[in-house]
Formats: sequence, structure tokens, C-alpha cells
Amino acid sequence: DVKVTQSSRYLVKRTGEKVFLECVQDMDHENMFWYRQDPGLGLRLIYFSYDVKMKEKGDIPEGYSVSREKKERFSLILESASTNQTSMYLCASSSGGSLNEQFFGPGTRLTVL
Amino acid sequence: DQQVKQNSPSLSVQEGRISILNCDYTNSMFDYFLWYKKYPAEGPTFLISISSIKDKNEDGRFTVFLNKSAKHLSLHIVPSQPGDSAVYFCAASARQGAQKLVFGQGTRLTINP
Repeated sequence: DVKVTQSSRYLVKRTGEKVFLECVQDMDHENMFWYRQDPGLGLRLIYFSYDVKMKEKGDIPEGYSVSREKKERFSLILESASTNQTSMYLCASSSGGSLNEQFFGPGTRLTVL
Repeated sequence: DQQVKQNSPSLSVQEGRISILNCDYTNSMFDYFLWYKKYPAEGPTFLISISSIKDKNEDGRFTVFLNKSAKHLSLHIVPSQPGDSAVYFCAASARQGAQKLVFGQGTRLTINP
């Protein structure tokens, strides 16, 4: 069964802290994605990766960076957290086949105080 | 600029009746469309998809209709059940196999007993 896990369900951090969100998939998928979900805005793509050590900016990359050192793991980094980064963060993965279906983790609710 | 729009933030339907969720897009390059369902505290799960070479795709109680000339798609759920209460996102891709998806804002569907 397909599984995407995220390191934390809830996280509270202070402004200026460095924050790491971890995502692991067990499906040997090539592609991994980080989104944030905000009310009225839907899911917005932050960064994605097509392969190990490869990354591409999504629609809202400002204030974020990512790391993909192993195929199964994709990390989202907030270098200096700000209150406007309070959000639900969702990780997803997909195979490189013809279907575009992405499999999502349960999400991390991040609050920056 | 919102390329995929779900203009109804919420929809309330009586159990057993038909639920119709709508989605509009602006990018004529989109040719593959997906619907995702999201329960609270869970990640989105894939529901149904449609390619631009079709105008209808069915899967059990769920049917997606695509009107390319109007750049409009809709998801029909019939009959609606209480377990269908969730947030529904439509998503679009520029080509089948291209992994990047653009999501709409979501519609919260509530099925009343």
C-alpha cells in the first residue's frame, strides 16, 4: 500500500527559527512535491523534485528551500520562519508514468508565533 | 493569477441527491484534469481523472464532465452519501505525464441526512 509520511502532524515555532519538515515515501517514486494549503487559496506548490539532488521552484518558493539527498526523502526548510508561513504543509509523491496521480502525506500544521 | 478556479467555497446537499462541483480553468494548455477529496487532518486522496480527449469519465457514483470549449469541468456524485462530506479540489496538468499539477481553491461539500 502506498504510503507518504511526514515527520510531524503539528509544529509550533518562533519567528526567526530554522524549521525542517521531513517527508518520506515508500513507493520508490521519482517525483516529490511540497505544497502549502491555506483557506481560500487551495494547494500551492512550493518546490518539487524529479530526481535525487534535483529541485525546481514551484509557484511560491520565496522563504523556503528543499533538500533531496535520497530518493525516498524530501525535506522542506524554512531558513527563518515568519508568521506568514503559518500554514498546513503537504508533501506528495508520484511515479514517472503517464498518470499524474500524486499521493499525499497527512500534512503538518505549522504555527509560527 | 488563479489558473484553476473553484468559485463555490461550499455546497450543501441532501443525502441521496446529486452533488455537482464545478471547476473552471484559464490555461488552454491544460489537457489532463483530476479531482481530489480531502478529509480534515488527512492528506488529499485521488478520486477521478479525465483526459482532454474525452468529455466524460465515470467511476461508480462519480462522474467527471469536461467542456473544453468552455474550459469547464464538473464532478457529479450520485447518490450523495454522508461519507462524501469533505473538501474537493480539482487539479490540472499541461500534459498527461507532466507531473506538475495546478490546484483550485477547493469546495467544501456537506451532505445532510
